[in-house]
Amino acid sequence: QSVLTQPPSVSGAPGQRVTISCTGSSSNTGAGYDVHWYQQLPGRAPKLLIYGNGNRPSGVPDRFSGSKSGTSASLAITGLQAEDEADYYCQSYDNSLSGSIFGGGTKLTVL
Amino acid sequence: EVQLVESGGDLVHPGRSLRLSCTASGFTFNYYALSWVRQAPGKGLEWVGLIRSKAYGGASEYAASVKGRFSISRDDSESIAYLQMNSLKPEDTAVYYCTRVGGSYYNYWGQGTLVTVSP
Repeated sequence: QSVLTQPPSVSGAPGQRVTISCTGSSSNTGAGYDVHWYQQLPGRAPKLLIYGNGNRPSGVPDRFSGSKSGTSASLAITGLQAEDEADYYCQSYDNSLSGSIFGGGTKLTVL
Repeated sequence: EVQLVESGGDLVHPGRSLRLSCTASGFTFNYYALSWVRQAPGKGLEWVGLIRSKAYGGASEYAASVKGRFSISRDDSESIAYLQMNSLKPEDTAVYYCTRVGGSYYNYWGQGTLVTVSP
């Protein structure tokens, strides 16, 4: 059971918009710690997608956006493409565990 | 170009030890904290531990699941970080990733090295 809760799967057709939620608690996201998002393509290492709740590293398309409010964060992907099919993980810090935490991951299927 | 290359993964018996290496290039190694993240087969990501740069004291921190069994060290002269794993258990079976820490996130990842703990 992950400390950050994500839906196990989401899906969407090409061109559509999907969102992935990430819900924490008062010891992590609710305590003001930032949320970051990673994309893991099949058979590959994870890659930083969004940092600091809503910032994109250089090279990440602006189809990807992140937001955070209270104990929850979300990742939005617009103009869905086949190559977006991957696992997505949120990550934050937990002050009661004194360490970094990840969500359980969400598998995105492009229909 | 930032590169992190893990090595040392192997098949080991429960109770044995193993040391993983992370060889870095393309950045000033001693400036950055490094972290290890693992992923069990078919499962999600799990933070293992972190080592700060010497400028921030060089201290390390660990997840509860590995504390007392794993230790992280660094050789800034060789740009290598190590993960020493003792008293290995079958549940330690995973791909282990070395990551460079940027603030509170992991902005660069290695390709991973597989550790299998089995009788």
